[in-house]
Amino acid sequence: DGGITQSPKYLFRKEGQNVTLSCEQNLNHDAMYWYRQDPGQGLRLIYYSQIVNDFQKGDIAEGYSVSREKKESFPLTVTSAQKNPTAFYLCASSTGLAGAYNEQFFGPGTRLTVL
Amino acid sequence: GQSLEQPSEVTAVEGAIVQINCTYQTSGFYGLSWYQQHDGGAPTFLSYNGLDGLEETGRFSSFLSRSDSYGYLLLQELQMKDSASYFCAVTRGSTLGRLYFGRGTQLTVWP
Repeated sequence: DGGITQSPKYLFRKEGQNVTLSCEQNLNHDAMYWYRQDPGQGLRLIYYSQIVNDFQKGDIAEGYSVSREKKESFPLTVTSAQKNPTAFYLCASSTGLAGAYNEQFFGPGTRLTVL
Repeated sequence: GQSLEQPSEVTAVEGAIVQINCTYQTSGFYGLSWYQQHDGGAPTFLSYNGLDGLEETGRFSSFLSRSDSYGYLLLQELQMKDSASYFCAVTRGSTLGRLYFGRGTQLTVWP
């Protein structure tokens, strides 16, 4: 079955530690995205990538880093520089084309709690 | 820049019709999308409007007026399972690959 997976579903880390969230898709999509969701804040874009080996900052990139070495994978690292990392993180992918063709498919999310 | 406004909460009873509005201010507007998200779950795509008018998909319809910078999602024959958050999102012509999401509307359907 085609889809997008994120692991783990729940993640706990101590303050000051870097942590990497996994995102894999087998939809053959060119574009991938990372969003952060806090209560009442909607979905805020952290980083996105429209092609392998290229990515752009979104609206809240500070304290995060990404890589896009393979089409299928777009891991997100939450660094110790991120001041308030506890949140629900969603990964998505799409064809990257315009309009109705740019439906984004979301993974199940990772809920990160920093203690 | 861009901004999107949608109501934070809407309530309705089963079988009713509800309309969730979305007004936007954005340069280079290209299209408006709607997503549904159940509590703790992943958002899922509902509809897209690139041109003015109504798009219908089963019980859900979405409308766009580009001249008014306004759209809405219409949910008919409401069911308990429709209780969820609904997000409008705009696409801009300068960044076709990304979406800009509103803060979402929490819909509660009562029996």
